[in-house]
Amino acid sequence: QTVVTQEPSFSVSPGGTVTLTCGLSSGSVSTNYYPSWYQQTPGQAPRTLIHSTNTRSSGVPDRFSGSILGNKAALTITGAQADDESDYYCVLYMNSGISVFGGGTKLTVL
Amino acid sequence: EVQLLESGGGLAQPGGSMRLSCVASGFTFRSYAMSWVRQAPGKGLEWVSLISGTGGDTYYADFVQGRFTISRDNSKNTLSLQMDSLRAEDTAVYYCTRGGLSWGFDNWGQGTLVTVSS
Repeated sequence: QTVVTQEPSFSVSPGGTVTLTCGLSSGSVSTNYYPSWYQQTPGQAPRTLIHSTNTRSSGVPDRFSGSILGNKAALTITGAQADDESDYYCVLYMNSGISVFGGGTKLTVL
Repeated sequence: EVQLLESGGGLAQPGGSMRLSCVASGFTFRSYAMSWVRQAPGKGLEWVSLISGTGGDTYYADFVQGRFTISRDNSKNTLSLQMDSLRAEDTAVYYCTRGGLSWGFDNWGQGTLVTVSS
């Protein structure tokens, strides 16, 4: 069974930079998994940030960027703002129509 | 503007059935794969199922395989999820999403809550 791993929690200072990662329990993440990233605040539907590793969705500020770092997908937030405090989820596309979500990272801005 | 509006959630008994619907607007519905994603209370997001634009291909997460059926009516811009043999662990907010292939889930509905309890 494929398990997608994310840091359970992370904190960043206002104005700071943070990189969240998305890995596989076994193996490396590559662009072939088309990693995507989603932001969710409590009680709200998720918002799509990044797809296909590094393509920002419409309206997403360029403070958010996606990449592959080593053997993981990564979401980097530069110039963190208070309203970036959210849960962040990555998804890896396994092909054959199947996607797997990571467990999510709770980001605190303080 | 893309809009996805779910309906059909509510309370169901264990072993019971429920049908969710999602009406789409603002895009050419038949041109897009569609998916259901769920979130149990206080938990993370889980992909549930995907259907191709034509409806000819369907995919399911292991934990719903054989119990849930995804379908679509392209003449009515409607996506559906028939849920049978419901279990307490199926309790979640169910989101209708556009996409689910290599470009991810690019639009989300507001979700509909399904509670499975006796």
